[in-house]
Amino acid sequence: EAGVAQSPRYKIIEKRQSVAFWCNPISGHATLYWYQQILGQGPKLLIQFQNNGVVDDSQLPKDRFSAERLKGVDSTLKIQPAKLEDSAVYLCASSLSVGGRTDTQYFGPGTRLTVL
Amino acid sequence: KNQVEQSPQSLIILEGKNCTLQCNYTVSPFSNLRWYKQDTGRGPVSLTIMTFSENTKSNGRYTATLDADTKQSSLHITASQLSDSASYICVVSEGGYNKLIFGAGTRLAVHP
Repeated sequence: EAGVAQSPRYKIIEKRQSVAFWCNPISGHATLYWYQQILGQGPKLLIQFQNNGVVDDSQLPKDRFSAERLKGVDSTLKIQPAKLEDSAVYLCASSLSVGGRTDTQYFGPGTRLTVL
Repeated sequence: KNQVEQSPQSLIILEGKNCTLQCNYTVSPFSNLRWYKQDTGRGPVSLTIMTFSENTKSNGRYTATLDADTKQSSLHITASQLSDSASYICVVSEGGYNKLIFGAGTRLAVHP
């Protein structure tokens, strides 16, 4: 079974530039998550989709971050404009469904973003 | 405030030795507790999931325990191998909606 795919793996940009990340979840997984993981910390949920609807985006800095999941499959996360504090690894995860108490989330390898 | 705290922050052990990692949480309502292994440069991979009624679960050389009364969990690694070098993250699921609260992780280094 193919895992969660993310691209690019690494990105270096200057502050105030824009950047976009792409995620392809495991086939058939209804729920998709974007996390931000700052060095030395655990992942922090940015946004959760079920199919193409947003379930939770309470921790998404909406003035600069946006995400979409068209057709309920692939997803993109965009930062515009980037700040120095956005330097982190952005992890995408997917799970079969939402609401299942022990539903396992499968993570992609992440995109490491460096903002200079 | 829902929090998950892990200790120690980092740990170095020799190959073949055992070790135990700790996790304390204040998440409420509690749904389940998971341990993830995160290799450098990769996404976390699930090791165990325990619900309220389970107090121990094993996955090979990894054994997780849960005390829901004291809100503590531990991950015991037996006969460590070099490939066990990674960060181990304790994650508590809040309520019934699979909202995960992550700890900062314990970074384990296994030396030959």
